[in-house]
Amino acid sequence: QLQLQESGPGLVKSSETLSLTCTVSGGSISSSDYYWGWGWIRQPPGKGLEWIGSVSNSGRISYNPSLKSRVTISVDTSKNQFSLMLNSVTAADTAVYYCARQSVYSSGSLNWLDPWGQGTVVTVSS
Amino acid sequence: QSVLTQPPSVSGAPGQRVIISCTGSRSNIGAGYDVHWYQQLPGTVPKLLIYDNINRPSGVPDRFSGSKSGSSASLAISGLQADDEADYYCQSYDTSLSGSVFGGGTKLTVL
Repeated sequence: QLQLQESGPGLVKSSETLSLTCTVSGGSISSSDYYWGWGWIRQPPGKGLEWIGSVSNSGRISYNPSLKSRVTISVDTSKNQFSLMLNSVTAADTAVYYCARQSVYSSGSLNWLDPWGQGTVVTVSS
Repeated sequence: QSVLTQPPSVSGAPGQRVIISCTGSRSNIGAGYDVHWYQQLPGTVPKLLIYDNINRPSGVPDRFSGSKSGSSASLAISGLQADDEADYYCQSYDTSLSGSVFGGGTKLTVL
């Protein structure tokens, strides 16, 4: 059974860089199956879900245009992990951050997300 | 402002049927991209409820059903139960943004 777990600092200072890691267990992140990828999603307090970005097993990386200038997603196959870096954070980046496996079509379009990690709360302090 | 538009709230009495709409545009749902639905119970992780417009993952009751037409999609919940109270989100792919997009979420209240 595939499981994902986010980890990283729960408190980040304003203007600094938020770094999170998602560890995948019960399956390999380096699968040659190009119909899967790995994504990051966040949810500010009391608000809805926002897709941050995803990396496909084919190596293609996609970012939310509203965050693209500040986001980097990378994969470490040796550790079965993928990571998120978000720089120049502000209070608006305070949220629960989730990682999830994502279905990918042959066209490259990103589809449903399942399973999800438990989420990790990140607070940006001034 | 979300790319996909959902009503902020819907409500229904136990046993009734409610429908949650998700309206997109020609660059996402209207372009033929599939719609997926998630249920987020209070204080929990979002759970995949419907994928590829109409399919239910194993374990999801058949009281939940999805449909899609044109640039819109709908989630129907029949036989409402108290523990259906949750936030529901639709999600699709947007070709203009080259990424996933979510609706703003709909809070379901069981009266």
